[in-house]
Amino acid sequence: DAKTTQPPSMDCAEGRAANLPCNHSTISGNEYVYWYRQIHSQGPQYIIHGLKNNETNEMASLIITEDRKSSTLILPHATLRDTAVYYCIVRVIDYGGATNKLIFGTGTLLAVQP
Amino acid sequence: NAGVTQTPKFRILKIGQSMTLQCTQDMNHNYMYWYRQDPGMGLKLIYYSVGAGITDKGEVPNGYNVSRSTTEDFPLRLELAAPSQTSVYFCASRPGGPGADYEQYFGPGTRLTVT
Repeated sequence: DAKTTQPPSMDCAEGRAANLPCNHSTISGNEYVYWYRQIHSQGPQYIIHGLKNNETNEMASLIITEDRKSSTLILPHATLRDTAVYYCIVRVIDYGGATNKLIFGTGTLLAVQP
Repeated sequence: NAGVTQTPKFRILKIGQSMTLQCTQDMNHNYMYWYRQDPGMGLKLIYYSVGAGITDKGEVPNGYNVSRSTTEDFPLRLELAAPSQTSVYFCASRPGGPGADYEQYFGPGTRLTVT
């Protein structure tokens, strides 16, 4: 699975959009981009994933560049409860295999300020 | 649904002791996973299972054992606890089969200290 690079920490004002970048310059054509987050002392929580098109759900939007070498997770109106570590993960969907393993890096600590 | 549940929440072990971390999911998921998370680090995969009776090693399996006798349960066994196994342990599960593109659901974690 491709390696990802994320800033170690970011701040965001409450009510503003939080834009979390991720670099995955070695991503392969069949690798998806996943985002999970981990609120302090809890298990990770799935947010969103995509292949090459931009995606949106009730939690966030995912913008993937045309060359797929980077992506941005957007939380449109950050709240204090969004303070967490955000993990960007790229991985192959395991066709014919079995694992669906997630390789976690160290992520970005997003601190939403009141 | 309770989702993925883990017991105990906290445990302190002495070096050389053994224990079993319990993980249960009530979503009828085939795939289950055990991760450990050391302070300030991301999660590392210990073992995983693709269904009852089938298990396989992840990145850091040494010092651990697993079994999967039912779809619901995936216990993690530490036989001879060492200080290096001090960590937070997360169990996860997901639905679907090979090639399925589904999210993983995580339990709340077990915080283990070995002294």
